[in-house]
Amino acid sequence: DSGVTQTPKHLITATGQRVTLRCSPRSGDLSVYWYQQSLDQGLQFLIQYYNGEERAKGNILERFSAQQFPDLHSELNLSSLELGDSALYFCASSVSDSSGNTIYFGEGSWLTVV
Amino acid sequence: AQSVAQPEDQVNVAEGNPLTVKCTYSVSGNPYLFWYVQYPNRGLQFLLKYITGDNLVKGSYGFEAEFNKSQTSFHLKKPSALVSDSALYFCAVRDPGGGYNKLIFGAGTRLAVHP
Repeated sequence: DSGVTQTPKHLITATGQRVTLRCSPRSGDLSVYWYQQSLDQGLQFLIQYYNGEERAKGNILERFSAQQFPDLHSELNLSSLELGDSALYFCASSVSDSSGNTIYFGEGSWLTVV
Repeated sequence: AQSVAQPEDQVNVAEGNPLTVKCTYSVSGNPYLFWYVQYPNRGLQFLLKYITGDNLVKGSYGFEAEFNKSQTSFHLKKPSALVSDSALYFCAVRDPGGGYNKLIFGAGTRLAVHP
């Protein structure tokens, strides 16, 4: 158990809908990352927050957004969902955003868009 | 731009034999390198990392990895494979001089250990 908690574990929704994925980082970790894992794209970095502020952006679609709250939990919002958004979404956390820090991953949220 | 290559989609090894999962990287500066393992229907678990110092890094579950700067490689090894090591293995790199801090993953290598 990495200490990173993600909910829900599984989610099935229809095209055009909006969902919110939630993440609680490890105790004491200030940095949160979101990754998407799909068969065709592999593991793709989406976005990073550090202590409530956006720190880096990767291949995140405009239909997707995220935030990190004062209690350091984070949410990833996915809207106008398409079939191609079906994937495993990982949240991860680290103590800071120093490059040498280990990033610990949650078990992911499986999203299926039908 | 930083990148990671895992040249083998799958590695097959008999239980008790040594295993190697290959990884090569490309970064502009000195790399920070990581290995993660993903078991079926589970998240990514951290195995080990190389930041600086000794080129041979020891990690969890008996795994180790050797950093080779001249060959830009960071191969994962284990002296004696177990059936329970069967999983998907990811190499990842961070470029501390790359402007920001994202972890770039390879495509993954599926390790199958046969009894």
